Amino acid sequence: SQQGEEDPQALSIQEGENATMNCSYKTSINNLQWYRQNSGRGLVHLILIRSNEREKHSGRLRVTLDTSKKSSSLLITASRAADTASYFCATDAYTDKLIFGTGTRLQVFP
Amino acid sequence: ETGVTQTPRHLVMGMTNKKSLKCEQHLGHNAMYWYKQSAKKPLELMFVYSLEERVENNSVPSRFSPECPNSSHLFLHLHTLQPEDSALYLCASSQDFQRLNYGYTFGSGTRLTVV
Repeated sequence: SQQGEEDPQALSIQEGENATMNCSYKTSINNLQWYRQNSGRGLVHLILIRSNEREKHSGRLRVTLDTSKKSSSLLITASRAADTASYFCATDAYTDKLIFGTGTRLQVFP
Repeated sequence: ETGVTQTPRHLVMGMTNKKSLKCEQHLGHNAMYWYKQSAKKPLELMFVYSLEERVENNSVPSRFSPECPNSSHLFLHLHTLQPEDSALYLCASSQDFQRLNYGYTFGSGTRLTVV
């Protein structure tokens, strides 16, 4: 069964706007990770947040984690056309492997 | 270049063909993975190797056969595939299998089309 589900499935914004993507999961986790995938390419690891952390920043990325709601959000501030990609959350669900969601497709228009 | 190299980038094969996908990493990682990515589906974990031993096989049909000859190389041998096997096949590696405190490093994938 699917562990992580991203919301929305697709998001279109103008350059300079902020983009927010959400991820919900079903079981307890050790950590949650966000990845980016450019069209037809491999996934690139963006950020990892541990279950005892509530917020983490990396450049223009801000990730929050609410373990009581089993949800996480990824905020990309001041978006650029180059941010156009699919974004995935992945959780470990206290197992030894990562389970990925179906992703959010982000389109940033110049 | 991420440190994980997959070849070929694109592959078209007939249903009776035999082909192999190759994955190579020189990151010193101990775990390697094969994932299948089909349109509008979550990434499906196919196989996991830790220190060259297979530790996971997620009910993958026998027409997919993995091989890990050493910690740097991973193969996926393909035989008598079906059109529904057309997908992007992604290889990934991680520092260790049982400690997920670090992210996975993915290759660029092989786009497989079965005709």
